[in-house]
Amino acid sequence: SQKIEQNSEALNIQEGKTATLTCNYTNYSPAYLQWYRQDPGRGPVFLLLIRENEKEKRKERLKVTFDTTLKQSLFHITASQPADSATYLCALDQGGKLIFGQGTELSVKP
Amino acid sequence: ETGVTQTPRHLVMGMTNKKSLKCEQHLGHNAMYWYKQSAKKPLELMFVYSLEERVENNSVPSRFSPECPNSSHLFLHLHTLQPEDSALYLCASSQVYGGSYSTDTQYFGPGTRLTVL
Repeated sequence: SQKIEQNSEALNIQEGKTATLTCNYTNYSPAYLQWYRQDPGRGPVFLLLIRENEKEKRKERLKVTFDTTLKQSLFHITASQPADSATYLCALDQGGKLIFGQGTELSVKP
Repeated sequence: ETGVTQTPRHLVMGMTNKKSLKCEQHLGHNAMYWYKQSAKKPLELMFVYSLEERVENNSVPSRFSPECPNSSHLFLHLHTLQPEDSALYLCASSQVYGGSYSTDTQYFGPGTRLTVL
């Protein structure tokens, strides 16, 4: 069956450290993968898109990797700040639809 | 107003009530979506409209009825809901549906927090 799995446990890190979030999938062949940020009680906000033929994408302190052999994407936030605390969702393309993971809650402590 | 707006932001209704959720997008997009988000669960796609035509209906119970009168507005009509329908209902839009990579980025509204008593 098709499945998308993100870190099931909340991630707690110290300010200034690098946060690494994982998105694994099975039985999908996505043309691209997206990452969104969601704050409590709010809608998700798009952060980054990476295509199947791209290994890495960067935007300011954010970096995403995409390994179609491992069927995995890693999302990194460098020099993390308390304002980065939120839930981060990965989403796979499936024929035009986006299929979302359940999200990973990140907490950055000062 | 910019982006995607949703009203009301909070709604409490009884199981016998009829209510509607409204979504409006000011981005000039051609595709609009309804999602349901329950606690600790992934977003569940409910409906997709592309150029005002419904193109996806993911086995949603008939007590949820969508309406898309034009490309900027989307409604979700609710009747005889169950307590398990309590959730955050999110509306989103994208430039096109099923288009090239960058145009499938979705822009979400703030959601309607629905409680069914």
